[in-house]
Amino acid sequence: DVKVTQSSRYLVKRTGEKVFLECVQDMDHENMFWYRQDPGLGLRLIYFSYDVKMKEKGDIPEGYSVSREKKERFSLILESASTNQTSMYLCASSGQGFEQYFGPGTRLTVT
Amino acid sequence: GQNIDQPTEMTATEGAIVQINCTYQTSGFNGLFWYQQHAGEAPTFLSYNVLDGLEEKGRFSSFLSRSKGYSYLLLKELQMKDSASYLCAVIIGGGSYIPTFGRGTSLIVHP
Repeated sequence: DVKVTQSSRYLVKRTGEKVFLECVQDMDHENMFWYRQDPGLGLRLIYFSYDVKMKEKGDIPEGYSVSREKKERFSLILESASTNQTSMYLCASSGQGFEQYFGPGTRLTVT
Repeated sequence: GQNIDQPTEMTATEGAIVQINCTYQTSGFNGLFWYQQHAGEAPTFLSYNVLDGLEEKGRFSSFLSRSKGYSYLLLKELQMKDSASYLCAVIIGGGSYIPTFGRGTSLIVHP
């Protein structure tokens, strides 16, 4: 079974802090994704990566950056957290098929 | 671009059948997914349709009509545990593997 893990289930940070969200998958998938999910807005793509050190902007990249130094690990960085970044963050991976496997999510609160 | 529509909320009775519709408008098409997401949990894969027709998997079936830009998820013999959000996601053509998600349909199953 594919397993996607995320570093924290719940996180509380202060405005202006730098925040790191980590995601690890164990299926040797090429593609990894970061989404945020907000009530009424659904899943929105922040960034994705199709290979090590490669990254592409999604629909809402502003205020975020990513890092993929190893194939299994994809990190989302909030350079200076703001209250409007309070959300559920979901990481996903996919391989040759298009099916995505999601991590359990990190509920981030920025105060 | 792509525009994916699904109802916001549906209710149904335990033991009944429910059909959740999804319509989309895209400049191309490369497949459609259905995911299930229980409250506070990650989305999990239900089905993938790339050709027209019905795909059956136990109590769940998914239908696709590419010419109409239309899909539905059919849930039979509803159980209380089927109360969840159901997400429709479309992969546009042109070699993309990035799904675009609808806002999800919250299904409430009552006794």
